[in-house]
Amino acid sequence: DGGITQSPKYLFRKEGQNVTLSCEQNLNHDAMYWYRQDPGQGLRLIYYSQIVNDFQKGDIAEGYSVSREKKESFPLTVTSAQKNPTAFYLCASCATDRPTGELFFGEGSRLTVL
Amino acid sequence: GDSVTQMEGPVTLSEEAFLTINCTYTATGYPSLFWYVQYPGEGLQLLLKATKADDKGSNKGFEATYRKETTSFHLEKGSVQVSDSAVYFCALSPNAGNNRKLIWGLGTSLAVNP
Repeated sequence: DGGITQSPKYLFRKEGQNVTLSCEQNLNHDAMYWYRQDPGQGLRLIYYSQIVNDFQKGDIAEGYSVSREKKESFPLTVTSAQKNPTAFYLCASCATDRPTGELFFGEGSRLTVL
Repeated sequence: GDSVTQMEGPVTLSEEAFLTINCTYTATGYPSLFWYVQYPGEGLQLLLKATKADDKGSNKGFEATYRKETTSFHLEKGSVQVSDSAVYFCALSPNAGNNRKLIWGLGTSLAVNP
């Protein structure tokens, strides 16, 4: 079945370590997004990509990095520069970046910094 | 700037009760409006949408009408089930915007008791 797969589902990190969250989609979607979800704060956009080899910062990009070398894949690296990385991270994709397009979400990755 | 305000949760109802989750927005022009649902431990799914004033979105017994005069997009269901227990997010995409500009409400948690 088509969909978005995020891994790992749970991840623990020591302070000062970089971690990479995987996001793979087989929906043939052009646009992909990374969101951060914190309790009581809704969703905040970290990075997005409309096409392979191109990506743009969202509202809270500091301390994060991404790549888009393949259409299906949009990994997110949480670097040691991110001051408060403990959160739930959601990857999403869409056929186009049009506002009436439906966003498809993965099941999320929960990162905890020890 | 554009914003979305949802009623605070948690909302607790008995099975077969009537549900209303209020959502109001502030935006210039004619945004598109969405309701997404997040079941426990999962990512978000599009529940319904409306792209112009007076449009009614509906899905799975849920309905919401785009009311420009009151800048509202309230979610309703006539008879909730235990399986409707989830977090519901209202979102808007500004006029002529794109998905990377989606503005999210903070989410409303719904618990339905048997």
